Amino acid sequence: RKEVEQDPGPFNVPEGATVAFNCTYSNSASQSFFWYRQDCRKEPKLLMSVYSSGNEDGRFTAQLNRASQYISLLIRDSKLSDSATYLCVVPGVGLTGGGNKLTFGTGTQLKVEL
Amino acid sequence: DVKVTQSSRYLVKRTGEKVFLECVQDMDHENMFWYRQDPGLGLRLIYFSYDVKMKEKGDIPEGYSVSREKKERFSLILESASTNQTSMYLCASSLRGGSGNTIYFGEGSWLTVV
Repeated sequence: RKEVEQDPGPFNVPEGATVAFNCTYSNSASQSFFWYRQDCRKEPKLLMSVYSSGNEDGRFTAQLNRASQYISLLIRDSKLSDSATYLCVVPGVGLTGGGNKLTFGTGTQLKVEL
Repeated sequence: DVKVTQSSRYLVKRTGEKVFLECVQDMDHENMFWYRQDPGLGLRLIYFSYDVKMKEKGDIPEGYSVSREKKERFSLILESASTNQTSMYLCASSLRGGSGNTIYFGEGSWLTVV
Protein backbone atom coordinates (compact mmCIF):
# COMPACT_ATOMS: atom_id res chain seq x y z
CA ARG A 1 0.00 0.00 0.00
CA LYS A 2 1.22 3.51 -0.79
CA GLU A 3 1.88 5.81 2.18
CA VAL A 4 -1.08 7.96 1.21
CA GLU A 5 -3.48 7.19 -1.58
CA GLN A 6 -6.31 9.26 -3.02
CA ASP A 7 -8.65 8.90 -5.96
CA PRO A 8 -7.45 11.64 -8.33
CA GLY A 9 -10.91 12.31 -9.74
CA PRO A 10 -12.05 14.62 -11.15
CA PHE A 11 -15.33 14.54 -9.30
CA ASN A 12 -17.83 16.60 -11.30
CA VAL A 13 -20.88 17.42 -9.20
CA PRO A 14 -23.78 19.86 -9.52
CA GLU A 15 -24.08 22.77 -7.16
CA GLY A 16 -25.83 21.73 -3.96
CA ALA A 17 -24.71 18.12 -4.13
CA THR A 18 -23.01 16.21 -1.35
CA VAL A 19 -19.66 14.73 -2.25
CA ALA A 20 -17.21 12.57 -0.32
CA PHE A 21 -13.55 11.76 -0.86
CA ASN A 22 -11.59 8.97 0.76
CA CYS A 23 -7.92 8.75 1.54
CA THR A 24 -6.12 5.60 2.68
CA TYR A 25 -2.85 5.57 4.57
CA SER A 26 -0.32 2.92 5.48
CA ASN A 27 1.27 4.19 8.70
CA SER A 28 -0.90 2.79 11.46
CA ALA A 29 0.98 4.88 14.04
CA SER A 30 -0.21 8.20 12.59
CA GLN A 31 -2.17 10.20 15.12
CA SER A 32 -3.30 13.33 13.38
CA PHE A 33 -4.38 13.97 9.84
CA PHE A 34 -5.12 16.95 7.66
CA TRP A 35 -7.07 17.99 4.64
CA TYR A 36 -5.58 20.80 2.58
CA ARG A 37 -7.26 22.65 -0.23
CA GLN A 38 -5.29 23.76 -3.26
CA ASP A 39 -6.67 26.06 -5.94
CA CYS A 40 -5.25 25.96 -9.45
CA ARG A 41 -1.67 27.29 -9.51
CA LYS A 42 -1.88 28.30 -5.85
CA GLU A 43 -0.33 27.00 -2.66
CA PRO A 44 -2.09 24.42 -0.45
CA LYS A 45 -3.99 25.83 2.51
CA LEU A 46 -5.19 24.00 5.59
CA LEU A 47 -8.86 23.07 5.43
CA MET A 48 -9.31 20.78 8.42
CA SER A 49 -7.40 18.81 11.01
CA VAL A 50 -8.55 15.41 12.26
CA TYR A 51 -7.24 14.16 15.59
CA SER A 52 -9.81 11.70 16.85
CA SER A 53 -12.80 10.16 15.17
CA GLY A 54 -13.77 13.23 13.23
CA ASN A 55 -14.18 16.94 12.90
CA GLU A 56 -16.96 19.14 11.53
CA ASP A 57 -16.74 22.72 10.30
CA GLY A 58 -19.86 24.07 8.65
CA ARG A 59 -20.49 22.17 5.43
CA PHE A 60 -17.29 20.15 5.80
CA THR A 61 -16.92 16.97 7.83
CA ALA A 62 -13.75 14.95 8.15
CA GLN A 63 -13.90 11.43 9.56
CA LEU A 64 -11.22 9.02 10.62
CA ASN A 65 -11.44 5.24 10.57
CA ARG A 66 -8.32 3.90 12.27
CA ALA A 67 -9.26 0.25 11.91
CA SER A 68 -9.45 0.52 8.14
CA GLN A 69 -6.82 3.26 7.95
CA TYR A 70 -8.69 5.82 5.98
CA ILE A 71 -9.93 9.33 6.38
CA SER A 72 -12.77 10.91 4.48
CA LEU A 73 -13.88 14.42 3.64
CA LEU A 74 -17.57 15.12 3.17
CA ILE A 75 -18.76 18.35 1.59
CA ARG A 76 -22.46 19.13 1.88
CA ASP A 77 -24.38 21.65 -0.23
CA SER A 78 -21.38 22.12 -2.49
CA LYS A 79 -20.70 25.58 -3.95
CA LEU A 80 -18.99 26.64 -7.14
CA SER A 81 -16.24 28.06 -4.94
CA ASP A 82 -15.51 24.59 -3.56
CA SER A 83 -13.94 23.65 -6.90
CA ALA A 84 -10.33 22.83 -6.07
CA THR A 85 -7.98 19.96 -5.42
CA TYR A 86 -8.18 18.43 -1.95
CA LEU A 87 -5.00 16.98 -0.52
CA CYS A 88 -4.95 14.35 2.18
CA VAL A 89 -1.96 14.75 4.51
CA VAL A 90 -0.65 12.12 6.89
CA PRO A 91 2.27 12.40 9.33
CA GLY A 92 5.00 9.93 8.56
CA VAL A 93 8.21 9.00 10.28
CA GLY A 94 9.43 11.85 12.45
CA LEU A 95 12.32 14.05 11.45
CA THR A 96 15.25 15.05 13.61
CA GLY A 97 14.61 17.89 16.00
CA GLY A 98 10.94 17.26 16.46
CA GLY A 99 9.99 18.09 12.94
CA ASN A 100 6.78 16.84 11.51
CA LYS A 101 7.30 15.05 8.23
CA LEU A 102 4.06 15.08 6.37
CA THR A 103 3.22 12.85 3.46
CA PHE A 104 0.87 14.38 0.95
CA GLY A 105 -1.54 12.49 -1.23
CA THR A 106 -1.63 13.44 -4.89
CA GLY A 107 -4.99 15.09 -4.39
CA THR A 108 -8.58 14.69 -5.50
CA GLN A 109 -9.90 17.23 -7.96
CA LEU A 110 -13.42 18.55 -7.40
CA LYS A 111 -15.39 20.49 -9.99
CA VAL A 112 -18.72 21.93 -8.92
CA GLU A 113 -20.92 22.88 -11.83
CA LEU A 114 -24.12 24.90 -12.29
CA ASP B 1 -1.62 36.93 9.54
CA VAL B 2 0.96 34.25 8.85
CA LYS B 3 3.24 34.89 5.94
CA VAL B 4 5.65 32.74 3.97
CA THR B 5 7.16 34.68 1.09
CA GLN B 6 8.93 33.23 -1.90
CA SER B 7 10.70 36.05 -3.67
CA SER B 8 10.80 34.53 -7.14
CA ARG B 9 7.45 33.46 -8.54
CA TYR B 10 8.39 32.62 -12.11
CA LEU B 11 11.88 31.80 -13.36
CA VAL B 12 13.32 30.49 -16.60
CA LYS B 13 16.87 29.20 -16.37
CA ARG B 14 19.25 27.42 -18.70
CA THR B 15 20.58 23.92 -18.15
CA GLY B 16 23.71 24.05 -16.00
CA GLU B 17 22.91 27.39 -14.36
CA LYS B 18 23.02 27.77 -10.60
CA VAL B 19 19.60 28.68 -9.24
CA PHE B 20 18.68 30.19 -5.88
CA LEU B 21 15.17 30.08 -4.53
CA GLU B 22 14.64 32.24 -1.46
CA CYS B 23 12.01 31.87 1.22
CA VAL B 24 11.27 34.07 4.22
CA GLN B 25 8.73 33.53 7.00
CA ASP B 26 7.64 36.05 9.60
CA MET B 27 6.09 33.70 12.16
CA ASP B 28 9.25 32.81 14.11
CA HIS B 29 8.79 29.17 13.12
CA GLU B 30 11.57 26.71 13.84
CA ASN B 31 10.80 24.33 11.00
CA MET B 32 11.11 25.19 7.35
CA PHE B 33 10.64 22.95 4.34
CA TRP B 34 11.17 22.86 0.60
CA TYR B 35 8.82 20.75 -1.50
CA ARG B 36 8.37 20.32 -5.20
CA GLN B 37 5.04 19.54 -6.78
CA ASP B 38 4.60 17.74 -10.07
CA PRO B 39 1.42 16.49 -11.77
CA GLY B 40 0.51 13.01 -10.64
CA LEU B 41 3.28 12.90 -8.03
CA GLY B 42 1.95 15.30 -5.44
CA LEU B 43 4.20 17.21 -3.06
CA ARG B 44 7.57 15.66 -2.37
CA LEU B 45 9.90 16.84 0.37
CA ILE B 46 13.33 17.95 -0.82
CA TYR B 47 14.90 19.27 2.39
CA PHE B 48 13.85 20.22 5.87
CA SER B 49 15.45 22.50 8.46
CA TYR B 50 14.54 22.47 12.15
CA ASP B 51 16.91 25.20 13.29
CA VAL B 52 19.48 27.67 12.06
CA LYS B 53 22.27 25.88 10.19
CA MET B 54 20.50 22.53 10.66
CA LYS B 55 19.13 20.55 7.75
CA GLU B 56 17.87 17.10 6.97
CA LYS B 57 17.35 15.40 3.63
CA GLY B 58 13.84 14.72 2.52
CA ASP B 59 12.70 12.19 -0.04
CA ILE B 60 14.33 13.69 -3.14
CA PRO B 61 17.43 15.71 -2.15
CA GLU B 62 19.57 14.77 -5.16
CA GLY B 63 20.59 17.78 -7.20
CA TYR B 64 19.63 20.24 -4.45
CA SER B 65 21.22 21.87 -1.45
CA VAL B 66 19.87 24.27 1.16
CA SER B 67 21.06 27.04 3.41
CA ARG B 68 19.62 28.35 6.65
CA GLU B 69 21.79 31.09 8.08
CA LYS B 70 18.94 32.93 9.77
CA LYS B 71 15.83 31.56 11.42
CA GLU B 72 13.46 33.34 9.08
CA ARG B 73 15.20 32.48 5.81
CA PHE B 74 15.57 29.13 4.04
CA SER B 75 17.17 28.96 0.61
CA LEU B 76 17.04 26.17 -1.94
CA ILE B 77 19.97 25.89 -4.32
CA LEU B 78 20.15 24.03 -7.58
CA GLU B 79 23.88 23.76 -8.20
CA SER B 80 23.50 22.88 -11.87
CA ALA B 81 19.94 23.07 -13.09
CA SER B 82 18.61 20.30 -15.29
CA THR B 83 15.42 20.02 -17.30
CA ASN B 84 14.00 17.41 -14.92
CA GLN B 85 14.05 20.05 -12.21
CA THR B 86 11.37 22.02 -14.02
CA SER B 87 8.62 22.13 -11.42
CA MET B 88 6.68 24.17 -8.92
CA TYR B 89 8.66 24.66 -5.71
CA LEU B 90 6.88 25.30 -2.45
CA CYS B 91 8.46 26.60 0.71
CA ALA B 92 6.69 25.99 4.01
CA SER B 93 7.15 26.54 7.71
CA SER B 94 5.74 25.28 10.99
CA LEU B 95 6.33 25.38 14.71
CA ARG B 96 8.60 22.75 16.17
CA GLY B 97 6.88 19.92 17.96
CA GLY B 98 4.61 17.07 17.17
CA SER B 99 2.92 16.21 13.96
CA GLY B 100 -0.13 18.24 14.83
CA ASN B 101 1.35 21.61 13.98
CA THR B 102 -0.08 23.31 10.93
CA ILE B 103 2.29 23.79 8.03
CA TYR B 104 2.02 27.08 6.12
CA PHE B 105 3.04 27.39 2.50
CA GLY B 106 4.41 30.18 0.38
CA GLU B 107 2.78 30.96 -2.95
CA GLY B 108 5.20 28.81 -4.90
CA SER B 109 7.99 29.35 -7.39
CA TRP B 110 7.49 28.10 -10.93
CA LEU B 111 10.85 27.10 -12.36
CA THR B 112 11.38 26.19 -16.00
CA VAL B 113 14.79 24.85 -17.03
CA VAL B 114 15.45 24.97 -20.76
